[in-house]
Amino acid sequence: DIQMTQSPSSLSASVGDRVTITCRASQSISSYLNWYQQKPGKAPKLLIYAASSLQSGVPSRFSGSGSGTDFTLTISSLQPEDFATYYCQQSYSTPPTFGQGTRLEIK
Amino acid sequence: EVQLVESGGGLVQPGGSLRLSCAASGFTFSSYWMSWVRQAPGKGLEWVANIKQDGSEKYYVDSVKGRFTISRDNAKNSLYLQMNSLRAEDTAVYYCARGRSRKYSGSYYNWFDPWGQGTLVTVSS
Repeated sequence: DIQMTQSPSSLSASVGDRVTITCRASQSISSYLNWYQQKPGKAPKLLIYAASSLQSGVPSRFSGSGSGTDFTLTISSLQPEDFATYYCQQSYSTPPTFGQGTRLEIK
Repeated sequence: EVQLVESGGGLVQPGGSLRLSCAASGFTFSSYWMSWVRQAPGKGLEWVANIKQDGSEKYYVDSVKGRFTISRDNAKNSLYLQMNSLRAEDTAVYYCARGRSRKYSGSYYNWFDPWGQGTLVTVSS
């Protein structure tokens, strides 16, 4: 199985900050990488698919980049509603696997 | 509106069984792969199983093979997960999720969207 490792595991930031979360795959996965946002008690929500494609309805302050083994999710200017946990997920091979999550907290 | 609603969770003893259901609405259910994904309390996400549009292909994570069975009824727009020989480590919120796919440069990219609200399964004596 492909292992997905996110860093950092947690992050404190302020409204208006630019934030970057990193996801690394244990082998090359081309651009088969998705990002989800999860708020407490809620289901995950798709943000980015195919490494850099923004899901319809997701604010443009979210962006994704990378290919191969290294990927990033960037939030250009944090808003209060962005404080949540973020997960990457590879769809290169079965089983699809997720990173351990990055918890984004208010500083 | 695309919607997925899970049901069937609850408290079950180790070794017991439970059947989860997911009711789909707002889209052509029979046109999509469907998955179950779980999340243990305070932990991350783990894909459990998926099933092809016509039910002809099914895949499972190793930890549930031989114990869990995914199925679907396209006439009822419903997805199911039959869970047998349950263990404490199966305790989790179980989400159903629609598989989406798009072709770029000859390759198909897949993701999960949307997800249901989840149903909690607790395995404990």
